[in-house]
Amino acid sequence: QVQLVQSGAEVKKPGASVKVSCKASGYSFSNYAMNWVRQAPGQRLEWMGWINAGNGDTKYSQKFQGRVTITRDTSASTAYMEVNSLRTDDTAVYYCARPRRILWFGEFDMAVWGKGTTVTVSS
Amino acid sequence: EIVLTQSPGTLSLSPGERATLSCRASQSINNYLAWYQQKPGQAPRLLIYGVSSRATGVPDRFSVSGSGTDFTLTISRLEPEDFAVYYCQHYGRSPTFGQGTKVEIK
Repeated sequence: QVQLVQSGAEVKKPGASVKVSCKASGYSFSNYAMNWVRQAPGQRLEWMGWINAGNGDTKYSQKFQGRVTITRDTSASTAYMEVNSLRTDDTAVYYCARPRRILWFGEFDMAVWGKGTTVTVSS
Repeated sequence: EIVLTQSPGTLSLSPGERATLSCRASQSINNYLAWYQQKPGQAPRLLIYGVSSRATGVPDRFSVSGSGTDFTLTISRLEPEDFAVYYCQHYGRSPTFGQGTKVEIK
């Protein structure tokens, strides 16, 4: 079945970087986009960016442009999301989420979700 | 960026009652509207896409009406498992979420 498995929880100090992975299985990885969404404690869902897993094109929320990098490794069917210059308000659960339909449709809903990776930023 | 405003923030209802949740967009969303349900400690679950199409396995007590910029998610009769937070989302090339409506047990 279609599944997204994320890497484990991380604890980082302010100013550090964190890289979260999302391994896909059960479908053709390169035919879909992958979104990254975060949720700070008690807060709303916040879209960070997506990657075209086929050609590697990316789009980022203006809020995260320049501080977040999304990449993928098609041979490993894995997407990555890296946040630099971490601040305490980056403490959140980070999710990867795949759209319902293939890239051709140009839609970025979120039909399949990973379980989330908790990133804690604390001095 | 399309801004989505959900209301109310919290809805206190009893099982069996009808829930009505609102989502208003700052501009037309061209049918790229989805709704998600999130329970504590869990990832969100896609309920509705394309404004009013139910995702696989979603019971028909969930329905959406509206068009353009104003949309309403209705849960016809609340079941115990429906108490959760609901988010609307515009899923164009730059997705955005509303701030959520919590449906809690009265």
